[in-house]
Amino acid sequence: AQSVTQPDIHITVSEGASLELRCNYSYGATPYLFWYVQSPGQGLQLLLKYFSGDTLVQGIKGFEAEFKRSQSSFNLRKPSVHWSDAAEYFCARISGNTPLVFGKGTRLSVIA
Amino acid sequence: GAVVSQHPSRVICKSGTSVKIECRSLDFQATTMFWYRQFPKKSLMLMATSNEGSKATYEQGVEKDKFLINHASLTLSTLTVTSAHPEDSSFYICSANGGLEETQYFGPGTRLLVL
Repeated sequence: AQSVTQPDIHITVSEGASLELRCNYSYGATPYLFWYVQSPGQGLQLLLKYFSGDTLVQGIKGFEAEFKRSQSSFNLRKPSVHWSDAAEYFCARISGNTPLVFGKGTRLSVIA
Repeated sequence: GAVVSQHPSRVICKSGTSVKIECRSLDFQATTMFWYRQFPKKSLMLMATSNEGSKATYEQGVEKDKFLINHASLTLSTLTVTSAHPEDSSFYICSANGGLEETQYFGPGTRLLVL
């Protein structure tokens, strides 16, 4: 079955430091890949998505992600983290008109 | 991006009562909407796929008579939690495919507390 793995349950980063959140997907047809962010008690907001073309995609709030087929990865990055970035981040995939398959999420804490 | 709304955002009800949650796509038509449930500090769990004009498709382990889904129009899907029990307390989130893209846009979620 198609799956998405986020190896890190919780990451703590200092404000201003760079960030990379890992995401790996299982083998399958070229997936559509997404990163969503969820603030406490809130719904999900789409950060960015990859369908095809340029493997480095830019998203909102200064985030970017790179699709690497050879590594089955779609890691999320941000060069300088802000305290407001503290949230839960979900990687997800879709193939065809199917529901999203989510990773279990990575909780990001930002310290001063 | 496309906007999906949910109503109510928060509801508290007594055990045994039914609660209806609405999911609307505000600026696009959605032939397919999805209902998810999220337990505290957990990822989202797909409950069912709601198709306009036809019966919803439920995931294994989800009781269709417990969680009634109606997708009566291209912009509205409803989830009714029937005879709610405290264990139904959760965060319910809907999503809809935005137009020609495969992107799913999520509603803000509904927090249900059953006393």
